[in-house]
Formats: sequence, structure tokens, C-alpha cells
Amino acid sequence: KQEVTQIPAALSVPEGENLVLNCSFTDSAIYNLQWFRQDPGKGLTSLLLIQSSQREQTSGRLNASLDKSSGRSTLYIAASQPGDSATYLCAAVGSARQLTFGSGTQLTVLP
Amino acid sequence: NAGVTQTPKFQVLKTGQSMTLQCAQDMNHEYMSWYRQDPGMGLRLIHYSVGAGITDQGEVPNGYNVSRSTTEDFPLRLLSAAPSQTSVYFCASSYYYPGQGNTEAFFGQGTRLTVV
Repeated sequence: KQEVTQIPAALSVPEGENLVLNCSFTDSAIYNLQWFRQDPGKGLTSLLLIQSSQREQTSGRLNASLDKSSGRSTLYIAASQPGDSATYLCAAVGSARQLTFGSGTQLTVLP
Repeated sequence: NAGVTQTPKFQVLKTGQSMTLQCAQDMNHEYMSWYRQDPGMGLRLIHYSVGAGITDQGEVPNGYNVSRSTTEDFPLRLLSAAPSQTSVYFCASSYYYPGQGNTEAFFGQGTRLTVV
């Protein structure tokens, strides 16, 4: 059974810092890995999708990497802003297209 | 650009009542699923469907029923609500990249359910 772990569970940084969120998974036989953002009381917004054949994806200040062999993905946020404050979730997509989620990293960016 | 639409946004039920959470998507995705999100537990898969007329159980299916009569709709039924079903429920639909095995999931805004 796939298990996904996100470290740290919470992170507080001053505005402008670059930061890295970590996601690890136990079964490397994944089709892709997806990063989401969730604001309090809201749904999940897709940030980045990394296909199993890719090693990274970029969107604006966000860069996500994938290392299937080590079972790890990282989300890099450059020049963080208070508006980046949210919970970030990663999900590994396996057979039958089922998503297995980590518990998330709650990010607070202080002005 | 409606995407995935869930109704209602909030609901309070009494123990033993039944209700249906509605989910509709307008992206012609064949794959749809329901998750519940609980503090400290993350999102867990309840049921999913790979196309109209086909459904299957996820990790936590007990107490829930689903059906998929059309591509667009995937309702979730609570048969006899229990306090343990107090949660936030999310519906998702997924686009499947042909020949690649990759899928991108899109989520609704959620239904906050309280069972008293």
C-alpha cells in the first residue's frame, strides 16, 4: 500500500525566503505526482503535475522535482510572499489513477 | 469554466438521517472520485468511478454509496449518517493523458458535513 509523508508538518518563514517542502512515497511505481495548494476552508488547487518520465516541472516561482528511485519529490518556492501562506499537499498517482495524499505542510509566510 | 461543482457547501444532519452530496463536472472526464478530509488523517478515498456505470470502493467506503449514470455526475449517498462521518468531502475528476498513464486531478470546493 502506498504511503505518502510530508515533512515538515508546519513551516513559518519571513517574506522573501526561498523554501523547500518535502514529499516522500513508499512505492516508486507511480504514474505521476501532483502538488496542490489548499487555503483554509477551500478546495484543492492544482499547482504542478510531474509525469513519471519527468524530473521536474516549473510554474512561475514554483519548481517541483521528482526522484522516483528514492521515492521523493520536493516543491521549491522562490521569494516567498504572504499570499503563499496555505497548506501544500502532494499526491502520488498509482494504478487505477487513485491519488494517495500526504498530510500536508502548513506554510505561513510572515510579512 | 465551472470545473467540478459540489452541492451543498455546508450541511448539518442528525444521526440516522440520509442525504446525497452532489458532484458534477463539465470537463468530460471519465474518472471521478470522492474523498473525505479529516484533521491528522489527510484525504482518504471513499469511492471512485472510471466511467459511466462503473464504480469501485476506495479506502473508506463503509456507510457510503455511489452511482454513475452519466459522465458528468457522481453523487455520494450517506445511508444512515453517523457522527464519525462528520468531515469535509471533496469530489474530484481526472483527465487521463492517452498512452501515458498520467492523470491530472481537479477538485471541487468541498462539502462540510456535520452529523449531530
